[in-house]
Amino acid sequence: DGGITQSPKYLFRKEGQNVTLSCEQNLNHDAMYWYRQDPGQGLRLIYYSQIVNDFQKGDIAEGYSVSREKKESFPLTVTSAQKNPTAFYLCASTRHINYNEQFFGPGTRLTVL
Amino acid sequence: KNQVEQSPQSLIILEGKNCTLQCNYTVSPFSNLRWYKQDTGRGPVSLTIMTFSENTKSNGRYTATLDADTKQSSLHITASQLSDSASYICVVRVGGANNLFFGTGTRLTVIP
Repeated sequence: DGGITQSPKYLFRKEGQNVTLSCEQNLNHDAMYWYRQDPGQGLRLIYYSQIVNDFQKGDIAEGYSVSREKKESFPLTVTSAQKNPTAFYLCASTRHINYNEQFFGPGTRLTVL
Repeated sequence: KNQVEQSPQSLIILEGKNCTLQCNYTVSPFSNLRWYKQDTGRGPVSLTIMTFSENTKSNGRYTATLDADTKQSSLHITASQLSDSASYICVVRVGGANNLFFGTGTRLTVIP
């Protein structure tokens, strides 16, 4: 099955801890994205990557970090510097950066205790 | 300022009834508009895409319209089913690589 997966589905974190959210795709897509979704707000772009070993900040990158060492993987680390990390995090991919349709993963719900 | 606004915020309808969701945008220059369906706790899934030259496009019981002059789009759902209960998100692309603007979505609940 081709698709994009995220893990874990639910994640709990204590204040002051860093956590890493996994995103994997076997669609052979070049571009990958991380979004944050909060109630009553549209999706907001955290980081994106056009190609392996390259990534760019989105609109709300502060307190987050990413890496793109492999084409199929784009993990997101939520650091202790992120002041309000509780949210639903969505990973997406596209065939290439200018390709229109984004394919989304199932999401990870992060809760800070 | 580029914005995408959706209405209503939430909607409850009886199974079998029709409904229409609205999306107004101020994005410029307009490239295309896509409607996504997002089930609770899941990622969005594309329903349809509208380009500048298209007025209407159907995908089963879903019909999207676009009026590029008034910068409005609608998503009409016919003969609603319980499985239509979800959030529907309008996304507008501006000319450029990563210029996507997301609406806040309409939460649709279909009740028996």
